[in-house]
Amino acid sequence: DTGVSQDPRHKITKRGQNVTFRCDPISEHNRLYWYRQTLGQGPEFLTYFQNEAQLEKSRLLSDRFSAERPKGSFSTLEIQRTEQGDSAMYLCASSFSGTSGSRTDTQYFGPGTRLTVL
Amino acid sequence: AQKITQTQPGMFVQEKEAVTLDCTYDTSDPSYGLFWYKQPSSGEMIFLIYQGSYDQQNATEGRYSLNFQKARKSANLVISASQLGDSAMYFCAMSQTQGGSEKLVFGKGMKLTVNP
Repeated sequence: DTGVSQDPRHKITKRGQNVTFRCDPISEHNRLYWYRQTLGQGPEFLTYFQNEAQLEKSRLLSDRFSAERPKGSFSTLEIQRTEQGDSAMYLCASSFSGTSGSRTDTQYFGPGTRLTVL
Repeated sequence: AQKITQTQPGMFVQEKEAVTLDCTYDTSDPSYGLFWYKQPSSGEMIFLIYQGSYDQQNATEGRYSLNFQKARKSANLVISASQLGDSAMYFCAMSQTQGGSEKLVFGKGMKLTVNP
């Protein structure tokens, strides 16, 4: 069973450029989450999907951020017109939700994409 | 709003000793889940242990146990017989429901260093 994968692992870009990150969840998981983690802080929730539906977006997710999960499998997170404040680790997680009697729908995380905006 | 507090910025422990990492939480929801994750320097968040708000017994997973004190709103992680590989950042998190399918709210984390 392969875990959550993210690509790229590192991205360096110049301010004003657009970047796109990809996340491939654990294959049987129907929920997919994006978090952002800055230095010295815990991860902060950005958005999550159940299958292809985006169910919640954080107020942290400005208009420059967009996330998709077109076929309910992999997801992309795009940041347009990047700013230096976007520099962070972007973490993706997945879980399975829906089994009756399930004790926990634990979120399993990928290795993250570290973004540096110059 | 839910909140997780981890006040210990860092701890040092000798190899093979036990260590307790503190976590307090705040929520008005009766149903919630509590999680601990480990983040080594490589960056990946590794799930360690889960406790549901209605669970009667404290959770245990191998060398990890969760000391759940509901009235005090604390969910401390106990690591027995520390190993050098336990050196990492540790994050406490909570979900809005017992299942954990919704977003997780994380604390700021604490750094554990295991000395040989």
